[in-house]
Amino acid sequence: DADVTQTPRNRITKTGKRIMLECSQTKGHDRMYWYRQDPGLGLRLIYYSFDVKDINKGEISDGYSVSRQAQAKFSLSLESAIPNQTALYFCATSDPQAGVVNEQFFGPGTRLTVL
Amino acid sequence: AQSVTQPDIHITVSEGASLELRCNYSYGATPYLFWYVQSPGQGLQLLLKYFSGDTLVQGIKGFEAEFKRSQSSFNLRKPSVHWSDAAEYFCALTGGGNKLTFGTGTQLKVEL
Repeated sequence: DADVTQTPRNRITKTGKRIMLECSQTKGHDRMYWYRQDPGLGLRLIYYSFDVKDINKGEISDGYSVSRQAQAKFSLSLESAIPNQTALYFCATSDPQAGVVNEQFFGPGTRLTVL
Repeated sequence: AQSVTQPDIHITVSEGASLELRCNYSYGATPYLFWYVQSPGQGLQLLLKYFSGDTLVQGIKGFEAEFKRSQSSFNLRKPSVHWSDAAEYFCALTGGGNKLTFGTGTQLKVEL
């Protein structure tokens, strides 16, 4: 079984709709991240969470919100989707106990299309 | 500010040929560097990482990378490419905190 799972894997929606992308992990990691990937731009950080009570904005948080429901679950919401939010979204986790520099482990991605 | 540059957007090599993917970084101190691979429809898989010590690091799938501080580079190499290596490759950097900065990626095509 995958350690980091994302649902749905693919989603097509319309402008103005509210969308939630979900991420679950069985790695027991405290830290979780949401990225979006756009062709030619690499991955950019949207939000990250160090634990259930700690949420931080990344470099492109406008238009997004997150919820850390439990250590294992981190959801990304688009309150009113717009076409330029069409992208591939990745969830990642890391373990601060693993050392000074913690490697991030990625889920399979959610491909979101906003029409 | 930290940044990663992958100068080559696309690279095509023949199967069995050697491969080198370039990665240059900008960071004011010693960076921690990673190479990830993304196969079509898949998430990112870590190929290798450099934290300290030996500047030539070995990774999975026969890949290696060399950290060159004087050139601010961390190029990825493989002596003989296999068709299954066709994928997108990302170089990433962190300064030890939680911000992982990615390059824009290099798309590798392997000709049979």
